Amino acid sequence: RKEVEQDPGPFNVPEGATVAFNCTYSNSASQSFFWYRQDCRKEPKLLMSVYSSGNEDGRFTAQLNRASQYISLLIRDSKLSDSATYLCVVNPGAPLGTYKYIFGTGTRLKVLA
Amino acid sequence: DAGVTQSPTHLIKTRGQQVTLRCSPKSGHDTVSWYQQALGQGPQFIFQYYEEEERQRGNFPDRFSGHQFPNYSSELNVNALLLGDSALYLCASSFGTGYEQYFGPGTRLTVT
Repeated sequence: RKEVEQDPGPFNVPEGATVAFNCTYSNSASQSFFWYRQDCRKEPKLLMSVYSSGNEDGRFTAQLNRASQYISLLIRDSKLSDSATYLCVVNPGAPLGTYKYIFGTGTRLKVLA
Repeated sequence: DAGVTQSPTHLIKTRGQQVTLRCSPKSGHDTVSWYQQALGQGPQFIFQYYEEEERQRGNFPDRFSGHQFPNYSSELNVNALLLGDSALYLCASSFGTGYEQYFGPGTRLTVT
């Protein structure tokens, strides 16, 4: 089983739609979780950190479900500019003696006019 | 406030050669991590440097080595290049561990 798994997509949605991505992780003791956005041939850019209580930033909402070991990203009112690959990232954390980010393969989103 | 910078932007090498990639972290950051991203894949962790020491290493052979300087900048060296080393090499900086990492624009390495 991969440490972090995502549906690669692509998800093709019309402008204005709501779309959700899930990401599962295998290490139940993982500490930190993030969503990054990556445009074609560019570097990943931090979209949101994911907190236990969930968090929202404008049209974006992230949730963490520790019991089922997944995180989610919800995008409301999709814009053409949201088209990108969304990378799920898990950091098991210093208590487990690991500092690395573990990336999923990414989910491709294409918002259609 | 300058973000993470990397050089060079692109590089073409032949098999068996050696390459050095450079990274300057974001101002105020003291930790540098290196990642390799093959086409269509997520970035894979190579290693992390903190206080000029390699703190953790991913599943990469010893051909991959690095260094961190007192000003927190870092280098990634790859010896005896293979075709499979062709990828985007990303540097990320953070303040300490467990905090958000910020990525540089990457160096695209092509091995022919």
